[in-house]
Amino acid sequence: AQTIHQWPVAEIKAVGSPLSLGCTIKGKSSPNLYWYWQATGGTLQQLFYSITVGQVESVVQLNLSASRPKDDQFILSTEKLLLSHSGFYLCAWSPLTGGQNTLYFGAGTRLSVL
Amino acid sequence: GQQVQQSPASLVLQEGENAELQCNFSSTATRLQWFYQHPGGRLVSLFYNPSGTKHTGRLTSTTVTNERRSSLHISSSQTTDSGTYFCAYSNTNKVVFGTGTRLQVLP
Repeated sequence: AQTIHQWPVAEIKAVGSPLSLGCTIKGKSSPNLYWYWQATGGTLQQLFYSITVGQVESVVQLNLSASRPKDDQFILSTEKLLLSHSGFYLCAWSPLTGGQNTLYFGAGTRLSVL
Repeated sequence: GQQVQQSPASLVLQEGENAELQCNFSSTATRLQWFYQHPGGRLVSLFYNPSGTKHTGRLTSTTVTNERRSSLHISSSQTTDSGTYFCAYSNTNKVVFGTGTRLQVLP
């Protein structure tokens, strides 16, 4: 069975500080990977997706960057946090091929920027 | 660009009542998925349903592809159904979420 793990569970950071959020998928080779952001009370906004190691496409950047250093790992980062980065960050995966292109989400990371 | 509208924005029910949630999207979907978000944030997939009708328990999803709409029917609602329901659609790797329906089921 596939599992998706996000870390950390929550972060409280200062404006201007760096950030790194991680996501690991086990039990599935070559998944599509996605990062989403959700403001409090808002909808989910896709930030990045990756279909293979080393390739990341930006949908909405929000002064963030993403990398896929390994097949099963997706990293979201920034060197300087803004107040507007606060929110809930969700990583998701879907099968690369196959008829059912379902999205599966991790438990998320809640970020507060002060 | 891709857009998706959900209605109603919020809904309050008495336990036992039924609910019908709507999702309208701007172009043909190859992926249409309904999610439930727990009050704590966890997102759970309810249905992957780009066309036709699917059932699970008290939930039914119906997607009419050529009319670019999908619905989620909840029968005999329970207090544990409270939370936010999202539909998400795409025909590419860009997956667009609707604004969600916030459901509150009162005992």
